Parts: sequence; C-alpha cells; structure tokens
Amino acid sequence: EIQLQESGPGLVKPSQSLSLTCSVTGYTITSGYDWSWIRKFPGNKMEWMGYISYSGSTNYNPSLKSRISITRDTSKNQFFLQLNSVTTEDTATYYCARWRRYNYFDYWGQGVMVTVSS
Amino acid sequence: DIQMTQSPASLSASLGETVSIECLASEGISNDLAWYQQKSGKSPQLLIYAASRLQDGVPSRFSGSGSGTRYSLKISGMQPEDEADYFCQQSYKYPLTFGSGTKLEIK
Repeated sequence: EIQLQESGPGLVKPSQSLSLTCSVTGYTITSGYDWSWIRKFPGNKMEWMGYISYSGSTNYNPSLKSRISITRDTSKNQFFLQLNSVTTEDTATYYCARWRRYNYFDYWGQGVMVTVSS
Repeated sequence: DIQMTQSPASLSASLGETVSIECLASEGISNDLAWYQQKSGKSPQLLIYAASRLQDGVPSRFSGSGSGTRYSLKISGMQPEDEADYFCQQSYKYPLTFGSGTKLEIK
C-alpha cells in the first residue's frame, strides 16, 4: 500500500523558512510519477505549490517561484519542501501527494498544519 | 491561471437524494478535470478523473460529466458516508488550480 506522511514544525516565525518532509512508503519515488506539495488555507482555498518528478526535475507555481524549493533524498525515499521568507499568509495545512501528470493526485498524505506566527 | 469557480459553497441533502456540484473553468480545459472528496480530518480522496472516469473502488453512485468549461459531479442517492467536502481540480494547464470547495451535509 502506498502511503505518504508529512512531517515538520507546526510553528514557524515570520521571515524564516518553512521546511517539511514527505516520507513515501510502498512506492519508490524514482520509479515514476511526480511528487507534489499542495496547501489548504484557512477558509479552504487550495493551492498547488509544485512538484519534483521521478527524474528529479521540478515545476513550481509561478506565484511561489522565488521562495520555493522542492528537493529529494532518494536513499530515504523522501522529498522536501522549503518555503523561504514566510509570512502569516503562509499559514495553512500542507499536503504531499503523488501526481499523475496531466491527470490527478491519487495518493495524499494526512497533512500537517503549519502556523506562521511570532 | 485558470480559475475554477465551484458552486454551491454548501449543500444539505436528505438520505437518498441526488445532488450535483458544478465547476466552471475560466477557459476550456478539455475534460482535464478531477473531483476529490475530503472528510473531516482526513486527506483528500480521488473520486473522478478525466471529467467522467470513476477511480477504482469509488461507489458507482458518484458520476462526473461535462465538457469545455462546465463540469459537474453527481451523487445519485446520498449516503451518510458522503457527508464531506468536495472540490474540483484542473490538470489542463500549469499552474494546477482547484475549485473553492463544496461542503455537503446531511439534512
């Protein structure tokens, strides 16, 4: 069974960096698909942040392009989100998900709530 | 970016009732649309992809239809376990974008 699990700090101070890990079990992230980060804001708006492909290439939402980095550790079957210079507007629940390109997200993590506050 | 306008924002339905949720894209998306269900405290679950294809394991009371810019999700016979949030997502063009969600409750 494929499972994704997010982890990381639940509280980040403004202007600092947000760093999250997605641990994947049941599928090797270099075997195929793209591996995405999505966030859901209070009020339920959802935003696709970007992905890292099975080959290691990345694609980011232009709204975040200057602040976001998605990387991976293939030895641990994990991928990571770093979002720089956060503000209170980055407060959201962050999900990692498997993306079948041009189709759908078929596996999601449980989500991790991150609050940006001093 | 392609804007996805979803309606209604909330909906109450009786058990057995048929309900519909709509998504209107700001431009044609060529059936590149998925629907997800999210129950309280849980992760989203894929219901429908390519506008009308039922994901494996999803009950047949769920169906999707539409074309061009207008798409809909139908639940034929509301069940207690269908109480959840539903949202659409277009995969036609990056950045991927989502509808604003519909909260479906039992009346």
